[in-house]
Amino acid sequence: DAGVTQSPTHLIKTRGQQVTLRCSPKSGHDTVSWYQQALGQGPQFIFQYYEEEERQRGNFPDRFSGHQFPNYSSELNVNALLLGDSALYLCASSAGWGPNEQYFGPGTRLTVT
Amino acid sequence: KQEVTQIPAALSVPEGENLVLNCSFTDSAIYNLQWFRQDPGKGLTSLLLIQSSQREQTSGRLNASLDKSSGRSTLYIAASQPGDSATYLCAALKTSYDKVIFGPGTSLSVIP
Repeated sequence: DAGVTQSPTHLIKTRGQQVTLRCSPKSGHDTVSWYQQALGQGPQFIFQYYEEEERQRGNFPDRFSGHQFPNYSSELNVNALLLGDSALYLCASSAGWGPNEQYFGPGTRLTVT
Repeated sequence: KQEVTQIPAALSVPEGENLVLNCSFTDSAIYNLQWFRQDPGKGLTSLLLIQSSQREQTSGRLNASLDKSSGRSTLYIAASQPGDSATYLCAALKTSYDKVIFGPGTSLSVIP
C-alpha cells in the first residue's frame, strides 16, 4: 500500500519564476492538503482540496494556487517566486471531508535564488 | 484564533531516560490532537491521534494525553533511545472544516 508520494524531491528556481509541485495521496484517500514549512518552524496550512475543489485556505497570497484531479492527485502552483518562498512543501492526505487523521508525504524542498 | 505552543523548544537527555514533551493550545474547542515526528529534512510521521472525546492514546513506548479544559497535551516517551532523536510536533484541529494548526516543535536529542 503506497503512502503519500511527492515530486520532485528537490527543486531550485530563480526569483520571478513559476513552479509546480505534485502529490499523490495514500490509497483510499480523497482529500489533499498542502503545507509550507520554513526552516525551524512548524508547517503552515496553505489549502485543502476535496472533490476537485479548494475547500479551505490559509493565509497565503493568490500566487499560491492548486488543483485536484479526478484520481485525487493534486498540484501546487506558485507564481512569481520570492526568496521567502524557499521552504519544504508538504502534502498530506486524509479520507473523506472533515478533521480526519492526516498522512504526510516526504515533502519537496524548494530553493529560490 | 487558535495558537499552539510547545515546551521545551529543545531537549537533550541521556539514553534510557523517560521524558515528557508539552503542547499547549489556546482554544479548547478542538476536534483532535495529533503528535508527529519529523527527522531532519523529511516529512512528518504520525505517532498518535487523540480524539476530543479521548483522554489518552498509547503506542509502544509512547503515551499521549489530552486535557481540553486546561488546553494541554503531553507526549510521554519511556526508556528513550538514540533513534528517538528527532523533532516532535503537535497539531490541533479545531472543529470540522477548520485547518490544522501546528506547534513549532520540540527538538529531541537522545545521547548514547
